[in-house]
Amino acid sequence: QQQVKQSPQSLIVQKGGIPIINCAYENTAFDYFPWYQQFPGKGPALLIAIRPDVSEKKEGRFTISFNKSAKQFSLHIMDSQPGDSATYFCAASWGGNQFYFGTGTSLTVIP
Amino acid sequence: EAGVVQSPRYKIIEKKQPVAFWCNPISGHNTLYWYRQNLGQGPELLIRYENEEAVDDSQLPKDRFSAERLKGVDSTLKIQPAELGDSAVYLCASSFGEDTQYFGPGTRLTVL
Repeated sequence: QQQVKQSPQSLIVQKGGIPIINCAYENTAFDYFPWYQQFPGKGPALLIAIRPDVSEKKEGRFTISFNKSAKQFSLHIMDSQPGDSATYFCAASWGGNQFYFGTGTSLTVIP
Repeated sequence: EAGVVQSPRYKIIEKKQPVAFWCNPISGHNTLYWYRQNLGQGPELLIRYENEEAVDDSQLPKDRFSAERLKGVDSTLKIQPAELGDSAVYLCASSFGEDTQYFGPGTRLTVL
């Protein structure tokens, strides 16, 4: 059973566009929602994370929107650049225990 | 500061052969994770260590997989014997307690 459902599977945007990646979860015990960025041949790297006591968090060009009642959260990348082309994973965990990852979104930013 | 180190980076073996992966976590990180990442999928936890204790190994196929973390630092993940379906990237990650996980570059295993 997929604990975290991620969409879309792939995304192509023009430079400067705002790609949005969505994730949904069922387990209300989850209390930590990170997003990871992964380049080919590399391990995932933490991009930004949020806890359910806030509805939005911004770090540079990356924003997480969190909707606790809908059990959904999303990643927005402002002013996207070709260097942002990578695979993005959402994840969820509780108490620092097992992390459940989404299936990933392959983002391509066209110059 | 050095990141999580894994070796080897690539391994090609024939089915039924044994294979081992090594991980050196970031200094001071007491929590170590082993994940398996299949092509086009997110990482899936195999085992989590708190210091030298395996606190979550519920997803580890214990008939063929084993892991150890002697002295609570380095860790080794072993598969014996390997099957075709074990082809994947094996990722090691470490964290200090419940904090951010830092991933290594992974070992890409191909079983022929």
